[in-house]
Amino acid sequence: GESVGLHLPTLSVQEGDNSIINCAYSNSASDYFIWYKQESGKGPQFIIDIRSNMDKRQGQRVTVLLNKTVKHLSLQIAATQPGDSAVYFCAEKSSGNTPLVFGKGTRLSVIA
Amino acid sequence: EPEVTQTPSHQVTQMGQEVILRCVPISNHLYFYWYRQILGQKVEFLVSFYNNEISEKSEIFDDQFSVERPDGSNFTLKIRSTKLEDSAMYFCASRRFGETGELFFGEGSRLTVL
Repeated sequence: GESVGLHLPTLSVQEGDNSIINCAYSNSASDYFIWYKQESGKGPQFIIDIRSNMDKRQGQRVTVLLNKTVKHLSLQIAATQPGDSAVYFCAEKSSGNTPLVFGKGTRLSVIA
Repeated sequence: EPEVTQTPSHQVTQMGQEVILRCVPISNHLYFYWYRQILGQKVEFLVSFYNNEISEKSEIFDDQFSVERPDGSNFTLKIRSTKLEDSAMYFCASRRFGETGELFFGEGSRLTVL
């Protein structure tokens, strides 16, 4: 079946550098995407979302880019901080009351 | 800030026993979900619930699983006869609207089946 996946399972960055976490999705019917952050022992925490009619959305220190042509989603974190260390999941859904489908996750480790 | 609360935080049970995991979604939310996460793996959808009935369920959500909203606040997941492979973190989530918008997750209930 169609699924959401990630290119890199782990990413290590220096504190203060920018981080880019990538995600590939294969369901062409997906029209809504979310990035979640999951710290150890906790539930997923919403970071930022984007609809398919947009290709970029910015939040506080985070930017999500969507390339529908190649079915690629990325999360950029500016000036990465130790508190950003976590597992990051992309998730997608198609229209209607459909469930959110999660990708496999990328672990971000910030080196102080 | 409103939050989804789950109990228990950790439950240990013997294989074959029944388990009920409880959730209190955010009060004005209308759509409720259960997800699970086996250690080190991705978050997997189990079931969605709206208007007092199941909207959608995954292949994981077999006859051993059931959900209920017994009153205006609780949303429960029951596993009738637990198996070793049911060991996982179970996350409850809720959303105000069904189409888009933030899906709020609880902190999870860790189930360990021995």
